[in-house]
Amino acid sequence: DSGVTQTPKHLITATGQRVTLRCSPRSGDLSVYWYQQSLDQGLQFLIQYYNGEERAKGNILERFSAQQFPDLHSELNLSSLELGDSALYFCASSVWGRYDNEQFFGPGTRLTVL
Amino acid sequence: GQQVMQIPQYQHVQEGEDFTTYCNSSTTLSNIQWYKQRPGGHPVFLIQLVKSGEVKKQKRLTFQFGEAKKNSSLHITATQTTDVGTYFCAGRTGFQKLVFGTGTRLLVSP
Repeated sequence: DSGVTQTPKHLITATGQRVTLRCSPRSGDLSVYWYQQSLDQGLQFLIQYYNGEERAKGNILERFSAQQFPDLHSELNLSSLELGDSALYFCASSVWGRYDNEQFFGPGTRLTVL
Repeated sequence: GQQVMQIPQYQHVQEGEDFTTYCNSSTTLSNIQWYKQRPGGHPVFLIQLVKSGEVKKQKRLTFQFGEAKKNSSLHITATQTTDVGTYFCAGRTGFQKLVFGTGTRLLVSP
């Protein structure tokens, strides 16, 4: 158990819909990262937040957005969902926002778009 | 942009055989991290290498960072079935974000 929690574990929805994925970082960690992992694919970095502010952006679509709240939990919003958005979405956290910090990954949310 | 490739993509070994995965970056890296993801699980941090030519060992696992800091390797001696999973390297250039490699999936038969 990494100490990072993600809800829900599974999500099944239809094309065109909007969903919200939630992540709670480890106690004391200020930075949250979101990754997308498609079937047999590597980890695609989406976005990073540090202490409530966006720190870095990766290959995040305009239909996706995220935020980190004052209590440091983060939400990833996916809208106008397409079949290709079906994937495993991981949240990770680290103590600081530096990229030489070890990242602790949550169990992931499996999103299926039908 | 920065790219990090890993070879092989997949390897199937018999228990007791050695295994090596290689990580190659298109740019010089500031540091490199290795993660392991078990089937159905999430990535778990294994180690970080920072210095040119650095070698670190964790029991049967040996990690190496190239002299030019553009490549790295993970070697497992005498694999066990518990080594099954996908191994990812993740590299960083300067103050840029970590870029994960494509991963090497290891299957170990008893």
